[in-house]
Amino acid sequence: SQTIHQWPATLVQPVGSPLSLECTVEGTSNPNLYWYRQAAGRGLQLLFYSVGIGQISSEVPQNLSASRPQDRQFILSSKKLLLSDSGFYLCAWRETFAQYFGPGTRLTVT
Amino acid sequence: QKEVEQNSGPLSVPEGAIASLNCTYSDRGSQSFFWYRQYSGKSPELIMFIYSNGDKEDGRFTAQLNKASQYVSLLIRDSQPSDSATYLCASQGADSNYQLIWGAGTKLIIKP
Repeated sequence: SQTIHQWPATLVQPVGSPLSLECTVEGTSNPNLYWYRQAAGRGLQLLFYSVGIGQISSEVPQNLSASRPQDRQFILSSKKLLLSDSGFYLCAWRETFAQYFGPGTRLTVT
Repeated sequence: QKEVEQNSGPLSVPEGAIASLNCTYSDRGSQSFFWYRQYSGKSPELIMFIYSNGDKEDGRFTAQLNKASQYVSLLIRDSQPSDSATYLCASQGADSNYQLIWGAGTKLIIKP
C-alpha cells in the first residue's frame, strides 16, 4: 500500500531564515505530487504540483520554491521566511482521481 | 474564476441525527467531486468521491450530486461525536491536470 511521509512535523523558524520541508511517497511510482498551505482556519491553497522528476508548476507567486530531485521525493524550500509563511504545509499525491495527504508540517515563523 | 463555496458553520447536530453538508461550484465543466474530513490539527482524509448525478452511499455517508444545479452534498446518518470535524468539498475539472478546487470547509459539531 502507498504511504506518504513528511518531516519535520512541527517547525519554529525566525523571520529571514531558510526553510526545507521534505515529502516522500512509498508504494507507487511516478506519482503526481502537490504542496499545499493551509493558514489557520482557512482552506487549502495549492502552492506547487509536479507530474514528474524536475517538472514543477507554481500556482502562486511567493518566496517559496519546490524541487523534485527523485521520483518519489518532493521538497519545498525558501531562502528567507516571512511571517506570512506560517501555516500548515501539506504534501499530497494523486491516485486515479483523488488526492491523499501526508501528516503535514506545522510551521510557525516568529 | 473557478470556485467552490461552503458554509463555514459551525453546523451543530444532535448525536444520532442526520448531518447535511452542502457545497456549490461555479465551473460547469467540473466532473468529479470529493469530500474530505479534517480533524483539528490533522491532515485531510478522503471520505468519498462522486462523479455521476444522483446518490452514492458508503456506510453512514451518502454523497449527492446535482450537476444541473451545480451542488454537491454529504449526508452523515446516525451522527456520532467522532464525526465532529471540518468537512472540505473539492471539485475537479476535465482539463485541470487533476488539480482540485477546494472549498474553505464546514465545521461540524455533533452534540452528545
